[in-house]
Amino acid sequence: ETGVTQTPRHLVMGMTNKKSLKCEQHLGHNAMYWYKQSAKKPLELMFVYNFKEQTENNSVPSRFSPECPNSSHLFLHLHTLQPEDSALYLCASHVDRGNYGYTFGSGTRLTVV
Amino acid sequence: DAKTTQPTSMDCAEGRAANLPCNHSTISGNEYVYWYRQIHSQGPQYIIHGLKNNETNEMASLIITEDRKSSTLILPHATLRDTAVYYCIVRETGNQFYFGTGTSLTVIP
Repeated sequence: ETGVTQTPRHLVMGMTNKKSLKCEQHLGHNAMYWYKQSAKKPLELMFVYNFKEQTENNSVPSRFSPECPNSSHLFLHLHTLQPEDSALYLCASHVDRGNYGYTFGSGTRLTVV
Repeated sequence: DAKTTQPTSMDCAEGRAANLPCNHSTISGNEYVYWYRQIHSQGPQYIIHGLKNNETNEMASLIITEDRKSSTLILPHATLRDTAVYYCIVRETGNQFYFGTGTSLTVIP
């Protein structure tokens, strides 16, 4: 366990479904991130939150909607996804000062059918 | 946005040292060198980072050349559990981490 917990670990959803991914950390970190990792591709940064405020959105389609209600929780709401959105979705957290590295969760393996 | 170049893959015999190179010839004075690894279908794991000096922790050693244009991650006694993709990232404080394709290290029994 890294201290960053992601649920569920696996998710299969249809293209018309609505689902949410959850990330939780109690490490006292104040920045949280969503990354997407498609098969045989590098990690892609999707969203950045600092002190609950979204500070970066890397041209992510609107069918992905993040939510950060507090510094310990991060959600990714999914609706009307496409099969090409199937990927490993990773959450990370960070102390946004100094030179510390990110702490990643184990990810949610999403399959869109 | 990755500013590093790493070999695509490497093999290492179990028990031997694994030396993973990384080129970052355009690194700026404020950028640190970070290493992460990702075991299959898990999240990346932070290993080590440094600015100018060589660094060592319980996982690995990081050797940075004097001109800072390249570095080497050393796993002193590789085990089968060290089989993973290793990412070298340069980052300035306050910026995000952008991952490249990394080096796929296979430790062979």
